[in-house]
Amino acid sequence: QKEVEQNSGPLSVPEGAIASLNCTYSDRGSQSFFWYRQYSGKSPELIMFIYSNGDKEDGRFTAQLNKASQYVSLLIRDSQPSDSATYLCASFTGGGNKLTFGTGTQLKVEL
Amino acid sequence: GAGVSQSPSNKVTEKGKDVELRCDPISGHTALYWYRQSLGQGLEFLIYFQGNSAPDKSGLPSDRFSAERTGGSVSTLTIQRTQQEDSAVYLCASSSHRTGGADTQYFGPGTRLTVL
Repeated sequence: QKEVEQNSGPLSVPEGAIASLNCTYSDRGSQSFFWYRQYSGKSPELIMFIYSNGDKEDGRFTAQLNKASQYVSLLIRDSQPSDSATYLCASFTGGGNKLTFGTGTQLKVEL
Repeated sequence: GAGVSQSPSNKVTEKGKDVELRCDPISGHTALYWYRQSLGQGLEFLIYFQGNSAPDKSGLPSDRFSAERTGGSVSTLTIQRTQQEDSAVYLCASSSHRTGGADTQYFGPGTRLTVL
């Protein structure tokens, strides 16, 4: 079992809709979670991180964390074609020295 | 300010040759990471440096891979006797590591390595 799992997609949503990206993790010791966006041929860029149960909002993006169920999600409101990219979920375990990444979900926002 | 820089951006080499990849982290960042991303795959952790501590080499796939970080800044990843399966994008990231806290990593543009 992979430590961080994501559906590879592609997830297709129409422009203006809400895109929901999900991630599950196996290590209950994971403390923080990160969402990165990666355009094709580019390096990952941080969207946001979350470490407390509940929701965290930043503009059109909302991260949700449920430690009891061991899942993290990213909601993108009013999706735009420019949001089309691969979204990487990563977990950080305080006792470790690295982020553990999922394989990413490809999002396609269609006109 | 300047972000993480990596060189070269692209490297094509022949099987069996050695290659060196360079990473220059964000100024003041004490933590430096190397990852590998193969086509269509997620990021695979390779090695982590934090200040003057011994590096975490737990992700290096074989003894052909090594890395060093001189003066707590620039890092070089060396792959000896390259194999075709080493072809990937090698990404470097740095962070202002805070013990016990969220460790936001900022990535460089990567080096695309192709082994013929």
